Amino acid sequence: NAGVTQTPKFQVLKTGQSMTLQCAQDMNHEYMSWYRQDPGMGLRLIHYSVGAGITDQGEVPNGYNVSRSTTEDFPLRLLSAAPSQTSVYFCASSSPGGGEAFFGQGTRLTVV
Amino acid sequence: RKEVEQDPGPFNVPEGATVAFNCTYSNSASQSFFWYRQDCRKEPKLLMSVYSSGNEDGRFTAQLNRASQYISLLIRDSKLSDSATYLCVVKRAGNNRLAFGKGNQVVVIP
Repeated sequence: NAGVTQTPKFQVLKTGQSMTLQCAQDMNHEYMSWYRQDPGMGLRLIHYSVGAGITDQGEVPNGYNVSRSTTEDFPLRLLSAAPSQTSVYFCASSSPGGGEAFFGQGTRLTVV
Repeated sequence: RKEVEQDPGPFNVPEGATVAFNCTYSNSASQSFFWYRQDCRKEPKLLMSVYSSGNEDGRFTAQLNRASQYISLLIRDSKLSDSATYLCVVKRAGNNRLAFGKGNQVVVIP
């Protein structure tokens, strides 16, 4: 029973490098989202998707891109990493109208 | 004003004691309310939903006060394993977007 799977768990990038954080869920959830969590800031919404082919910006979208080609996958792309993007990233999914959001294990990203 | 506000603490609680904390939300259109638990360096997990009539799950009791726009969580007979951060989460009607508070950090002391 995999739930939400995020990879990688840890990553160190140099400023200006690009990378993709992977997120996959096997619960057939329509709604998926990406958050970042910083000390003292709580969880902040980066981008979200209400279904395949539909994405929208959250609270802090700058510097990140997303796509949703399938129900299962929702990758997050950092086009040109900056030290301000050092954070813990969580992917989550939930069913429409459902209360419970299921989170991946998180990706700890450091940009140097 | 933040959509969901919590006093981060930490709340240092002797083992066996009761601890309670509140969170306030700013949007009166908020429809659903939850408490999530997050252990250190782990992902958040649903602890319990919060219903208008209040609800209990073992040693945990959640209350909702719509008039004053706050949610509370009470933990009775605290265990060492209750040490975690408790996140107050609010969802608006009509969409799945969740707003998170910064969390209440609880440290249960032997």
